[in-house]
Amino acid sequence: EAAVTQSPRSKVAVTGGKVTLSCHQTNNHDYMYWYRQDTGHGLRLIHYSYVADSTEKGDIPDGYKASRPSQENFSLILELASLSQTAVYFCASSEWTYAEQFFGPGTRLTVL
Amino acid sequence: SQWGEENLQALSIQEGEDVTMNCSYKTYTTVVHWYRQDSGRGPALIILIRSNEREKRSGRLRATLDTSSQSSSLSITAAQCEDTAVYFCATRGNTGANTGKLTFGHGTILRVHP
Repeated sequence: EAAVTQSPRSKVAVTGGKVTLSCHQTNNHDYMYWYRQDTGHGLRLIHYSYVADSTEKGDIPDGYKASRPSQENFSLILELASLSQTAVYFCASSEWTYAEQFFGPGTRLTVL
Repeated sequence: SQWGEENLQALSIQEGEDVTMNCSYKTYTTVVHWYRQDSGRGPALIILIRSNEREKRSGRLRATLDTSSQSSSLSITAAQCEDTAVYFCATRGNTGANTGKLTFGHGTILRVHP
């Protein structure tokens, strides 16, 4: 069965600090995605990648960087965390652009 | 915005009742996905309907798509307590930079009481 894992599952960060969220998939999928979910809203796409060592901007990339060092791993980096980045972050993977996306369990980030 | 102006909705029903959730979208799409999100977990695809299908069924789930009004619905027949979750619709972009991207609606919180 498809498996996407995220670490950490929750994190408290200070404003201005650096935060790295990690995602690992064992699906052998080429595509990986980072979304954020704010309370009472759907998911919004931050960054995605369709091949290792390459990332693309999604709909809300400002304030975030992404890194895809291998097919299995995809990281989301907040260089200078801000209060507005408090949210739940989901990673997903898919076999190709139109295929079903499989989501990880999410990381709850609180920036104080 | 991809979506209509509706905010996150909440529905509360009794076990055994039927329920329908609606969503509308602004941008042309050829497929609507319906996802279910359980508390503390990521969304999971439960049914999708393409533009050449007016209705799609899967077990107790029924999805409809009206491309002329750019709206879709998800119905659950004889809801059970384990159907309690947040349900999202999502469209799939098919032009330019949006090709393949999923855009999610705000969702509907469904609570099914015993």
